[in-house]
Amino acid sequence: DIVMTQSPDSLAVSLGERATINCKSSQSVLYSSDNRNYFGWYQQKPGQPPKLLIKWASIREFGVPDRFSGSGSGTDFTLTITSLQAEDVAVYYCQQYYSVPLTFGQGTKVEIK
Amino acid sequence: QLQLQESGPGLVKPSETLSLTCTVSGDSISSSSYYWGWIRQPPGKGLEWIGSLHYDGNTDYNPSLGSRVTISVDTSRTQFSLRLSSVTGADTAVYYCARLLSTGIYGRGFFDYWGQGTLVTVSS
Repeated sequence: DIVMTQSPDSLAVSLGERATINCKSSQSVLYSSDNRNYFGWYQQKPGQPPKLLIKWASIREFGVPDRFSGSGSGTDFTLTITSLQAEDVAVYYCQQYYSVPLTFGQGTKVEIK
Repeated sequence: QLQLQESGPGLVKPSETLSLTCTVSGDSISSSSYYWGWIRQPPGKGLEWIGSLHYDGNTDYNPSLGSRVTISVDTSRTQFSLRLSSVTGADTAVYYCARLLSTGIYGRGFFDYWGQGTLVTVSS
C-alpha cells in the first residue's frame, strides 16, 4: 500500500495570510507512461463530505478559487492557500490514485489564528 | 446535476452485516468513464477507501477489509450497494458513496462527487 503522510497535522493562519500543507507518499505516484502525478487534494468542512479541490497534483477542479494551488511531483506535494479566507477553515486530505488500494493522508486541520 | 444519497440502518449489532445503498440521480451508473465507490470515516478520524465498482461488475476492494466486503450494482443501474459482514465497533463510521472518475487505468481515479454520508454505529 502507498502510505500518504501529511504535515503538519494542524495549522493556524491569520486571515489573508498563506497556508501551506505538505503530503509525502511512500512511493512515487508519477506514472511514467503519461508523465502525470496520480494525486489529488480534498477539502472537508465540518459536517460535510469531502470536496475535490485539486486533481493531477496541480489542476484545480471547476469552481475552486484560484487562491488554492497544488504543486509537486513524484513523492512530495504541496497545497497552498494564498490569502486564507474564513470559509477555508476545514480539514484537507491528500489522496493517491496511482495504485489500489486508494489511500488518503491523515488530514491537516486549518484554523484561523 | 449528479446527486448521490446513502441509505440504510444507522445501527447494526456486532457480528451482523452492514448493508447500505447509494441511489444515483442525474447520471447513469452505466458509463465506462466512471467507477462508483464507498469510503468511510470513523468519528473524528480520516478517510478510508472501502472499494469501487464498475457498471460491468468489476470490483476493487481494500485488502484491509479482507473478504468481509461486497459492492454490487442493481439491475436498474440507479443504485449500488455495500455489504460489510461480521462488523465490530471498529466499523462504526460515516459511510460515503462517491463517483470515481477513472484515469483510464483500471480502478484508479479520484472522487469528484460525494453523497452526504450516513453514520452507522455498531453496538448491541
